[in-house]
Amino acid sequence: KNQVEQSPQSLIILEGKNCTLQCNYTVSPFSNLRWYKQDTGRGPVSLTIMTFSENTKSNGRYTATLDADTKQSSLHITASQLSDSASYICVVSTSRDGYNKLIFGAGTRLAVHP
Amino acid sequence: DAGVTQSPTHLIKTRGQQVTLRCSPKSGHDTVSWYQQALGQGPQFIFQYYEEEERQRGNFPDRFSGHQFPNYSSELNVNALLLGDSALYLCASSSGTGQLSGNTIYFGEGSWLTVV
Repeated sequence: KNQVEQSPQSLIILEGKNCTLQCNYTVSPFSNLRWYKQDTGRGPVSLTIMTFSENTKSNGRYTATLDADTKQSSLHITASQLSDSASYICVVSTSRDGYNKLIFGAGTRLAVHP
Repeated sequence: DAGVTQSPTHLIKTRGQQVTLRCSPKSGHDTVSWYQQALGQGPQFIFQYYEEEERQRGNFPDRFSGHQFPNYSSELNVNALLLGDSALYLCASSSGTGQLSGNTIYFGEGSWLTVV
């Protein structure tokens, strides 16, 4: 069964600190992996997209890694800011019958405190 | 350049009623996908429309139906509403059926549906 699991479920850090969010997936075949940031009550916003051959991609203070062999990804946030408080969702794209489909994780809820 | 727009933003319906949600994709996008997101959960795929046809469907009952218009905008209809249909309904747009190849998928802000 295609699944995306994220950990931790929630996380509290102090402003200025770094943190790393984890994503494990059992999705086959694999097309790409995406990280989204979702503020409460808002739509998800794309942070990074990685294909099979990419093992790291950065977007400002966000750096995503991908290990396609172990089917793991991480999202590292550097020098956190209060505005980083949100849910971070890992999404894996797979394909079936010629069409592609997104498999969403449940997300990690990050709270950055002053 | 307007992104993905959804309407209404919030609505309240009673059990058994019907609801229609609307979505306009980002300019230049021709594919619209709909997702249901319950509180504290990740989005669940409902269906995808491309060239005015439903191309893929998730595990949702026939009470959930949709439509895509020639201008690529889309509607999601839910009949015989249940309390469990209360959720944030997200519309996502992309170019082609490609939720693939690194194509960025843009989400709208969602429509909050509360069924009482």
